[in-house]
This record gives sequence, C-alpha cells and structure tokens, in this order.
Amino acid sequence: DAGVTQSPTHLIKTRGQQVTLRCSPKSGHDTVSWYQQALGQGPQFIFQYYEEEERQRGNFPDRFSGHQFPNYSSELNVNALLLGDSALYLCASSSLHRDWSYEQYFGPGTRLTVT
Amino acid sequence: DAKTTQPNSMESNEEEPVHLPCNHSTISGTDYIHWYRQLPSQGPEYVIHGLTSNVNNRMASLAIAEDRKSSTLILHRATLRDAAVYYCILRDGPGYNQGGKLIFGQGTELSVKP
Repeated sequence: DAGVTQSPTHLIKTRGQQVTLRCSPKSGHDTVSWYQQALGQGPQFIFQYYEEEERQRGNFPDRFSGHQFPNYSSELNVNALLLGDSALYLCASSSLHRDWSYEQYFGPGTRLTVT
Repeated sequence: DAKTTQPNSMESNEEEPVHLPCNHSTISGTDYIHWYRQLPSQGPEYVIHGLTSNVNNRMASLAIAEDRKSSTLILHRATLRDAAVYYCILRDGPGYNQGGKLIFGQGTELSVKP
C-alpha cells in the first residue's frame, strides 16, 4: 500500500501565477482533505472532498479551489498567488463510511514557495 | 470549534515515560479527543483517540479526566524517534455529518535526549 502520495514535492512560483497540486489517497479511501501549514504553525484546514463534491470548507478565499476525480484523487488549485501562500500543503485521506473514527492519513506534503 | 491548550515544548530522556498534557475546558459531549504527531519533514500521523475512557494502543496511552476538560498522552518509553510535534485535537463523533476537518493548534514540540 503506497499510502497517500502528493506531487510535486517542491514548487517555486511567482506572485500572480496559478498552481495545481495533486494528491492520490490511500487505497480504499474515498475522502480527501487539504491543509495549509505555514512555517512553525499547525496545519490549517482548507477543504474536504467526498463523492467529487466539496463537503466542508475552512476560512480560505475563493482563490483556493479543488476537484476530486472518480478515482478519488484530488487537485488543489490556487490562483493569483500571494507571497503569503508560501507553505507546506498537506493532503489527507480517510473513509467516511468504512472508518467510523475518521482517522486521517496524511501525505508528505508539497512545499510551495512564492517569490 | 472547541479549543485545546498545550505547552509549547517539553523535554524527555530516552527510555523514560513522557506525559503530554492537553486542556480542553470547552469540550462538548460529542467531541472525541484525538492526538496526532508530526515528525520532522513529514505529514501528521494519527496516534490515538478516545471519548471518555482511557485508551491504549501500540503507540501510546490516552488518559482522560473524569470531567473531560483535560487529557494526557502517555508515551511509556520515549525513543529518539518520538521527537515530534504532538497535536491534541477535538472532533465531532462518528456519523456522515461529522468527522470532517481537523482543527490543529500549535501543538507541543517534544525533544528526546539520549
């Protein structure tokens, strides 16, 4: 079992550009959540996808959008990048129906640097 | 969202027990207490969770106060590999309409000395 995988591992973008991050959930999982972790801070919830729909959303602007595909993989898109978007972006997968405790499995993250 | 309070940092010696405290005075009756940890350069990983009773698993033990306003994560014998940031998180219980986001605080940075 490969666990949760994310790509790319590192990314450097310029202010104003757009970025797409990708996540493949752990085998058997149907729910994907995205988190942003600034340096020295705990992860902050961005949104969660289930059955290809956004199920919950944190306090992030509309510049942050996502998508979930029929195979449960997911993308996080950020438009009009700001310097403050520099962070580690974490993907977590879980199974809403199978695992009642909703333990979330995290990937290693994508380190985004905006210059 | 219910809030938790943890010490910023703690130190431990290798092979000694570690008690990591967490205060959650505004916990509601349906909130589960979850612990995750984040090793350097990795994503967070689940450690343990509980509702009212103390819990044990292969990684750790969770002691929950009778009034549920505080809990303690216990690592029975700390190893160098246990050096990480430990997060105490409150989550709604099982059910389709719950179990979504994790609200992370600052966590406790645990250092383990050989």
